[in-house]
Amino acid sequence: KQEVTQIPAALSVPEGENLVLNCSFTDSAIYNLQWFRQDPGKGLTSLLLIQSSQREQTSGRLNASLDKSSGRSTLYIAASQPGDSATYLCAVETSGSRLTFGEGTQLTVNP
Amino acid sequence: DTGVSQDPRHKITKRGQNVTFRCDPISEHNRLYWYRQTLGQGPEFLTYFQNEAQLEKSRLLSDRFSAERPKGSFSTLEIQRTEQGDSAMYLCASSPWGEGARTEAFFGQGTRLTVV
Repeated sequence: KQEVTQIPAALSVPEGENLVLNCSFTDSAIYNLQWFRQDPGKGLTSLLLIQSSQREQTSGRLNASLDKSSGRSTLYIAASQPGDSATYLCAVETSGSRLTFGEGTQLTVNP
Repeated sequence: DTGVSQDPRHKITKRGQNVTFRCDPISEHNRLYWYRQTLGQGPEFLTYFQNEAQLEKSRLLSDRFSAERPKGSFSTLEIQRTEQGDSAMYLCASSPWGEGARTEAFFGQGTRLTVV
């Protein structure tokens, strides 16, 4: 059974800092890995999708890496802003069907 | 708006009542998923459809839950005889599927269910 863990559970940083969120998964036979952002009481917004054959994806200030063999992914956020405050969720797709999510990292960026 | 749409956004119901939620996926997506999320947790998979066929159901989906996707377009999720433990955010997602498809999942805004 696939299990996804995200560390840390919560993170508070001053504006402008670069930061790294971590995600690990137990079954390396994944189809892809996706990072999402969730604002309180809202749905999920897709940030980055890394397919199993890829090692990283970039979008603006975000960079996500994937190391399938070690079962790890990181989400790097450069020059953090207060508007980045949200919960960040990592999810892996196994066998081309369901997504298995971690519990998320709650990020607060202080002005 | 061409994203995933869910209705209603909020639902408050009394224990024992039936409720039905609707999801309209992105039109060209042939896969549709339902997830449930409780406070402080990541979403948990409930079921998914490829076109009109329901291909997988989680053990979380008790016999009080039923989902349909007639004609492979919108989907409904019905909960019968609601219990307080059903209180959660119900999320719908859609993605393309097929050879060479980039199976990125897009989520709706969710339906927040409160059972009192």
